[in-house]
Amino acid sequence: AQSVTQLDSHVSVSEGTPVLLRCNYSSSYSPSLFWYVQHPNKGLQLLLKYTSAATLVKGINGFEAEFKKSETSFHLTKPSAHMSDAAEYFCVVSDNFGNEKLTFGTGTRLTIIP
Amino acid sequence: GAVVSQHPSWVICKSGTSVKIECRSLDFQATTMFWYRQFPKQSLMLMATSNEGSKATYEQGVEKDKFLINHASLTLSTLTVTSAHPEDSSFYICSARDVGFGNTIYFGEGSWLTVV
Repeated sequence: AQSVTQLDSHVSVSEGTPVLLRCNYSSSYSPSLFWYVQHPNKGLQLLLKYTSAATLVKGINGFEAEFKKSETSFHLTKPSAHMSDAAEYFCVVSDNFGNEKLTFGTGTRLTIIP
Repeated sequence: GAVVSQHPSWVICKSGTSVKIECRSLDFQATTMFWYRQFPKQSLMLMATSNEGSKATYEQGVEKDKFLINHASLTLSTLTVTSAHPEDSSFYICSARDVGFGNTIYFGEGSWLTVV
């Protein structure tokens, strides 16, 4: 079984300050982990993914995430927030057994304060 | 990059009628597609896994006779909501797996269904 916990349902940061969105996972086997972003009334866009290669993963729009097995975490960070980053962010885990079934976290809404 | 297209983007239908939503992979072949449902301000709930040329695999609690899934080709899966009721109103999102690009899964833009 696999699960994902996004520790914060809502995060607010000022424009230009760092962003930290927290995610912890549970998986019986070596997982693949993803971060997706969803803007209002839109589908999901892949930000980045971890698939057992480098533990520090760089994604689009300046985001990156670090896979820490000892902490079962995959937190998403960005050095400097931009107004366009305001959206819903989902941490997702896949079981790597070929069926690619994704398990979604409950999401974190990121608000950027001008 | 790979694109997954959903159609229609939004649809309004009368209670008791059926509505079909299409999911297409535009520049890659997808043997597996997934259908999700998302309620306002909530996460995505996997409804079913659609496999090309075979029956879909439904998640527990999802009525297969109500949510008909057909994956007739490597680029098209359809979700038909039969005998729709207001409680079926939701945002439906599909995704498709690109095996030629590291098994990356791409999502469609979603389809808003309102049943009146």
